[in-house]
Amino acid sequence: NAGVTQTPKFRILKIGQSMTLQCTQDMNHNYMYWYRQDPGMGLKLIYYSVGAGITDKGEVPNGYNVSRSTTEDFPLRLELAAPSQTSVYFCASSQQGTDTQYFGPGTRLTVL
Amino acid sequence: QKEVEQNSGPLSVPEGAIASLNCTYSDRGSQSFFWYRQYSGKSPELIMFIYSNGDKEDGRFTAQLNKASQYVSLLIRDSQPSDSATYLCAVRSSSGGYQKVTFGTGTKLQVIP
Repeated sequence: NAGVTQTPKFRILKIGQSMTLQCTQDMNHNYMYWYRQDPGMGLKLIYYSVGAGITDKGEVPNGYNVSRSTTEDFPLRLELAAPSQTSVYFCASSQQGTDTQYFGPGTRLTVL
Repeated sequence: QKEVEQNSGPLSVPEGAIASLNCTYSDRGSQSFFWYRQYSGKSPELIMFIYSNGDKEDGRFTAQLNKASQYVSLLIRDSQPSDSATYLCAVRSSSGGYQKVTFGTGTKLQVIP
């Protein structure tokens, strides 16, 4: 199993550009999450999904959108990139009824 | 008051010593408590979870929970240089279900050879 995979690993965006961060898991987990981690800070939940077709906002959803059309994929969309979105983004998944979250390797995003 | 608080460190301990990492939380109804290890530039990895008051041991790691004091700790015995990482405390609240897990800012541990 590859676990949770994320692409790209690194990206530099200009202010106002848009992009999609990809996340795929092959563990057949129901729950998927997007977090951002700023330097010296903990993980902040952006959006989460409890299954295909079901998504909801986390702590810091502004400026982001998600969709979940399949169990495996949970892309995160940035529509109008801003410098405040410079961060490391982690996708994670977990099985319903368990607390163990498995994290992807992260995407380091810089907005200039 | 932050929901989950940790001392940012760095906490420096000599090789072979016991490292003690501490975490306090504000939601008295919290149910599940986790310790994640994060190496520099890498993603978090779950190393321990604890649900009940008392101690839970797994190899060199012991998690301790005191719900009355709203305090959870992680002890690492026989610390090794490979234990040098940032340790994130995470708490699942009573109201948010499995999706509401709040992370602390982490404590950086340095094990000196």
